[in-house]
Amino acid sequence: AQTVTQSQPEMSVQEAETVTLSCTYDTSESDYYLFWYKQPPSRQMILVIRQEAYKQQNATENRFSVNFQKAAKSFSLKISDSQLGDAAMYFCAYIPYGGATNKLIFGTGTLLAVQP
Amino acid sequence: DVKVTQSSRYLVKRTGEKVFLECVQDMDHENMFWYRQDPGLGLRLIYFSYDVKMKEKGDIPEGYSVSREKKERFSLILESASTNQTSMYLCASRLGLGATNEKLFFGSGTQLSVL
Repeated sequence: AQTVTQSQPEMSVQEAETVTLSCTYDTSESDYYLFWYKQPPSRQMILVIRQEAYKQQNATENRFSVNFQKAAKSFSLKISDSQLGDAAMYFCAYIPYGGATNKLIFGTGTLLAVQP
Repeated sequence: DVKVTQSSRYLVKRTGEKVFLECVQDMDHENMFWYRQDPGLGLRLIYFSYDVKMKEKGDIPEGYSVSREKKERFSLILESASTNQTSMYLCASRLGLGATNEKLFFGSGTQLSVL
């Protein structure tokens, strides 16, 4: 079965500092996508970053970057220069590549607090 | 940009009522999903649909049914609401097979309370 595990229910970071959120997953597929979604208090899910498994280069989006270790099945999110607006629930998610009936599988989430 | 609209932001219902949660997307997406979000459990898939009138059970379908008569609309039905169905419900859509720029687009959620 495909699973996604986030072992940190809560994290805290000082404003302007760097924080890393952990995610591991289990799959027998070789081609897939991994995602980090952010859910602020407004409840609207926002895509933070996406990684295609066939790409060796780690994805980056401004202050957000990932450390993708395919062999270890690890996909961590690094937030640099943390801002108050980064405070949110962060979900790691996985979907196999291709297939009309594929579904996105989520982890249990990490609640990030940013201290001023 | 894609818009996924859930008809209610907050809903309060009584035990035993039949409840309809509606979701509409405006980008001709093939796949639509209903998730349930509970603290400590993340998002769990209830049902999804990969085409009109086509549906598949997710991980927790018990007590729920769905309807997709038109491509843009995906309804979640609680046949007889129970207190353990108090939760946040999220609808999402995805273009489908062969899509580039793969991602899920979400609605803003419906917080359902069953009393």
